[in-house]
Amino acid sequence: NAGVIQTPRHKVTGKGQEATLWCEPISGHSAVFWYRQTIVQGLEFLTYFRNQAPIDDSGMPKERFSAQMPNQSHSTLKIQSTQPQDSAVYLCASSLALGSSYEQYFGPGTRLTVL
Amino acid sequence: GEQVEQLPSSLIVQEGASVLINCSYTDSASVYFPWYKQEPGKRLQFIIDIRSNMERKQTQRLTLLFDKKTKHLSLHITATQPGDSAIYFCSASIYNQGKLIFGQGTKLSIKP
Repeated sequence: NAGVIQTPRHKVTGKGQEATLWCEPISGHSAVFWYRQTIVQGLEFLTYFRNQAPIDDSGMPKERFSAQMPNQSHSTLKIQSTQPQDSAVYLCASSLALGSSYEQYFGPGTRLTVL
Repeated sequence: GEQVEQLPSSLIVQEGASVLINCSYTDSASVYFPWYKQEPGKRLQFIIDIRSNMERKQTQRLTLLFDKKTKHLSLHITATQPGDSAIYFCSASIYNQGKLIFGQGTKLSIKP
């Protein structure tokens, strides 16, 4: 079991370019979460899906960030017109279901560097 | 919204010693508190959790205490080993919301 898979592991973009990050949750898991990790801000919640439907995107920066889950086997986080402050490690996690009984399993993250 | 604070931010101890990591939260609606460990270059790893209807949970060398009145948690690690060197994160979740709000982390270094 490879766990949650994230690709690419590292991505370097120029300011103003677009970045798409991919996440493959653990098979059978119905909830998928995106978080962002930086030294300054720590671990921040971005958005999550349940059974592919978006439930809460309250942590997503407005306008440039979007997330989708077109099928149960993958989710994407897209950042348009990337800015240096978007540089971070983006983490995807999945859980069997929602609620306080279900552990979230994290992927290795995608390190995004915006030059 | 919920805020989670963790102290200390870093800790250096001799192998074999015990350590205590403190965590506090603000939202009384939070009911689930998982803790994660992040070793250098590795993914976040779940280590222990507690629900708001419990006061204590123990697994092997970890003991997690929860005080609902003061909105405070503490993680006690005994007989520390070099493999315990990592950043430890406390988190909180409101029932059925699923999303985790994390503390800033505690960097634990174990000296052999």
